[in-house]
Amino acid sequence: GNSVTQMEGPVTLSEEAFLTINCTYTATGYPSLFWYVQYPGEGLQLLLKATKADDKGSNKGFEATYRKETTSFHLEKGSVQVSDSAVYFCALNYGGSQGNLIFGKGTKLSVKP
Amino acid sequence: GAVVSQHPSWVICKSGTSVKIECRSLDFQATTMFWYRQFPKQSLMLMATSNEGSKATYEQGVEKDKFLINHASLTLSTLTVTSAHPEDSSFYICSARQYRAGELFFGEGSRLTVL
Repeated sequence: GNSVTQMEGPVTLSEEAFLTINCTYTATGYPSLFWYVQYPGEGLQLLLKATKADDKGSNKGFEATYRKETTSFHLEKGSVQVSDSAVYFCALNYGGSQGNLIFGKGTKLSVKP
Repeated sequence: GAVVSQHPSWVICKSGTSVKIECRSLDFQATTMFWYRQFPKQSLMLMATSNEGSKATYEQGVEKDKFLINHASLTLSTLTVTSAHPEDSSFYICSARQYRAGELFFGEGSRLTVL
């Protein structure tokens, strides 16, 4: 079946460090892939997405590339800030409706000054 | 971005009582709303999809008589956990979208604790 696996947290980094959060997926067909972010006390927000193989989604300095050959969609940022502290969810869309999202378990990121 | 608000953000109730959680889209009309459940350190699991003015569509394994969903208007959907038991304790999250292919906007979640 369809599933998403992302690295377990928490991840603790110093400001300006490089961030990678791994995400791999299992899916039939060609899903769209998403990264959502949840800041403390807020709802999930779409961070970036990619709809087909080799697409790169980017936003706020974060990037992720849809790799069909490795079924991965790793999230990266070159220099994290304290304000990036949040929980990050990788997700895939297995149907025509974006509501049919399958989420990973989330990875909590804490950035220390 | 658009705002989706849930209320209450946390609730404690006694076993056997019913609890209602509201999900409101504050600055747009939501044709479709979704309800998810999240256990500690687990993924968000889609429970049901509700379209304004029609019955909700429940995911396999979700008891429709247990989790009543009403999408009575374009800005409000409610989830009622009936005859709640401790195993219903969880974090419930809603999301909403304006158009079929539109972006999803999420509420901040509601934590239910059943004693």
